[in-house]
Amino acid sequence: KQEVTQIPAALSVPEGENLVLNCSFTDSAIYNLQWFRQDPGKGLTSLLLIQSSQREQTSGRLNASLDKSSGRSTLYIAASQPGDSATYLCAVTPLDTGRRALTFGSGTRLQVQP
Amino acid sequence: DTGVSQDPRHKITKRGQNVTFRCDPISEHNRLYWYRQTLGQGPEFLTYFQNEAQLEKSRLLSDRFSAERPKGSFSTLEIQHTEQGDSAMYLCASSLMGSSGRPGNTIYFGEGSWLTVV
Repeated sequence: KQEVTQIPAALSVPEGENLVLNCSFTDSAIYNLQWFRQDPGKGLTSLLLIQSSQREQTSGRLNASLDKSSGRSTLYIAASQPGDSATYLCAVTPLDTGRRALTFGSGTRLQVQP
Repeated sequence: DTGVSQDPRHKITKRGQNVTFRCDPISEHNRLYWYRQTLGQGPEFLTYFQNEAQLEKSRLLSDRFSAERPKGSFSTLEIQHTEQGDSAMYLCASSLMGSSGRPGNTIYFGEGSWLTVV
């Protein structure tokens, strides 16, 4: 059974810092990995999607990397801003064509102090 | 608005009552998913549809839960005889299956339906 772990569970940083969020998964047979953002009481917004054949994806100040063989992904946020405060979740799609369910981690709750 | 919409956004019900949530996916999306999320946890998969066919159900989906997508468009999730443990946010999401049979695009979530069972 796939398990996804995110470390740290919570993080507080001053504005302007660069930071790294970690995600690890136990089964490397994945089709892709996605990073999502969730604001309190809201749904999820997809930030980046990395296919299993890719090593990284970038969008603005965000960069996500994937090392499938070691079961790890990182989300790098450059020059953090108070507006980045949210919970960040990673999720993997299994390679098994008979299954489509994403498996999520519990998230990292980020607070960027102005 | 062309995003995923869910209704109602909040529902408070007494234990033992039945509740139904509705999800309208992005119009051209053929896949629709239901997830459940409790505070401090990531979403847990419940079930998904490809068009009108329900193709996968989690063991979390007990006999009290039923989901339908009658015409391959909107979907409903019904919970019968609600229990306090059903209190959670119920998230709907949709995506478009790629031509290879693989999910080529990202998955889009609605704002969720909060259920409180008292």
